[in-house]
Amino acid sequence: QKEVEQDPGPLSVPEGAIVSLNCTYSNSAFQYFMWYRQYSRKGPELLMYTYSSGNKEDGRFTAQVDKSSKYISLFIRDSQPSDSATYLCAMFQGAQKLVFGQGTRLTINP
Amino acid sequence: GAVVSQHPSRVICKSGTSVKIECRSLDFQATTMFWYRQFPKQSLMLMATSNEGSKATYEQGVEKDKFLINHASLTLSTLTVTSAHPEDSSFYICSARDPFSYNEQFFGPGTRLTVL
Repeated sequence: QKEVEQDPGPLSVPEGAIVSLNCTYSNSAFQYFMWYRQYSRKGPELLMYTYSSGNKEDGRFTAQVDKSSKYISLFIRDSQPSDSATYLCAMFQGAQKLVFGQGTRLTINP
Repeated sequence: GAVVSQHPSRVICKSGTSVKIECRSLDFQATTMFWYRQFPKQSLMLMATSNEGSKATYEQGVEKDKFLINHASLTLSTLTVTSAHPEDSSFYICSARDPFSYNEQFFGPGTRLTVL
C-alpha cells in the first residue's frame, strides 16, 4: 500500500464547475499537507499549505484536512480553463522529505 | 512565494558526456535542497536530499556515482549526471526548503535532459 493515494484521473469538467480533488494517506504522523499545481513541462507550483485539520481558503481554492480520517481535499470553485493542470498532493512530518500522491490530471473545458 | 531557479531549462547532449544542472534559491537561504526526477505522466521521484556543507543522502536505487550532488552554499545546489546515457533522459526538478517558513518547499521550473 502506498503511503499516499491519489486518483490519477484524468478528470474533465466544464468551465465554472466546482472541482474536488482528494488524497488519502496511511501515516498518521504526517503533520503538513500541501497541494501543488503542475503545468505540462513545468515545475510544481505551491498552491496551498496547511498544518492542521480544518479548512483553509485562498481565493477560489479551499484546502480541507481531516486527520481523523487521513483524508485531504482541494476544492476549486468557478473553475477556469487556465486551471487545467496536474494537481499533486504532498505531505510530510517534521523535517522529513515530502511524500507525493500520484497526481490528478484535470481538464476544464470551455 | 519564494523563487527557485534552475539552469539550464533544457539540454541535449551526446551519450557519454556529463551534464551539470544548477538549482538556486533566489530570495531565501535553503539549508536543504532536493532533487527529483519525473517521467512523462508520472509523479515526482525523489532522487536525493542535499544538505549544505555535507554529503547528499540518496534514495534507494539511485546511483550516487552517477548522479553527483554538491550543495556548496545556502543558495546553490548542483546535480551532475555523469557519463549520461539515453535512459537518463528525463525531467529533473529541484526544490528548496525554507526553514523560516514552516519548512515550505518550493520547486524550480525543471530541466529537460535529452541524451542522444
